Amino acid sequence: GAGVSQSPSNKVTEKGKDVELRCDPISGHTALYWYRQSLGQGLEFLIYFQGNSAPDKSGLPSDRFSAERTGGSVSTLTIQRTQQEDSAVYLCASSPRGLGVRNEQFFGPGTRLTVL
Amino acid sequence: SQQGEEDPQALSIQEGENATMNCSYKTSINNLQWYRQNSGRGLVHLILIRSNEREKHSGRLRVTLDTSKKSSSLLITASRAADTASYFCAVANQAGTALIFGKGTTLSVSS
Repeated sequence: GAGVSQSPSNKVTEKGKDVELRCDPISGHTALYWYRQSLGQGLEFLIYFQGNSAPDKSGLPSDRFSAERTGGSVSTLTIQRTQQEDSAVYLCASSPRGLGVRNEQFFGPGTRLTVL
Repeated sequence: SQQGEEDPQALSIQEGENATMNCSYKTSINNLQWYRQNSGRGLVHLILIRSNEREKHSGRLRVTLDTSKKSSSLLITASRAADTASYFCAVANQAGTALIFGKGTTLSVSS
């Protein structure tokens, strides 16, 4: 079946502009995660959605970052007034349910964001 | 940081040799996972080991877990050029809402 998809695959924007990144999780997966990976670094957790529960936004680095998950499926990560330090690969992952049990995460290919 | 520090940061070996990567973490865990990343894009799950397991095998992969030392190792036997990638260990955060990854080990296998 189809895996996690993300769009766009690459995004170049100018400092100060807003960007939207999209994630389509695997059908039926109730848990969805956004991570950020800066060059040569590990993954940094941003936000977690689980079903209809309130999302865990504790990883969002500033109020310029927000995310929505509509209808329990597609998610959009929005970065307002982008800064150069926002340049990174943004990775989305989904899993059949949350991490409470032994669940692997299925990752999309990521969106490489470059802020000039 | 909370968890997930891999060692070494980089490893270069010849095809056919074995590669061993280590991971340390700081808190109690239910399980530990290893992921592989090619070319800085999406991660692929390799193997999951539960806290009550000491060793697990999957093909050419062997993972060990020592909860008393809060450490794990990933062994890739008979490496191939296609194994060239970055490898990350990951454990759940305290809230159980996300995985915490280390910075990874970059493995380079030359033919």
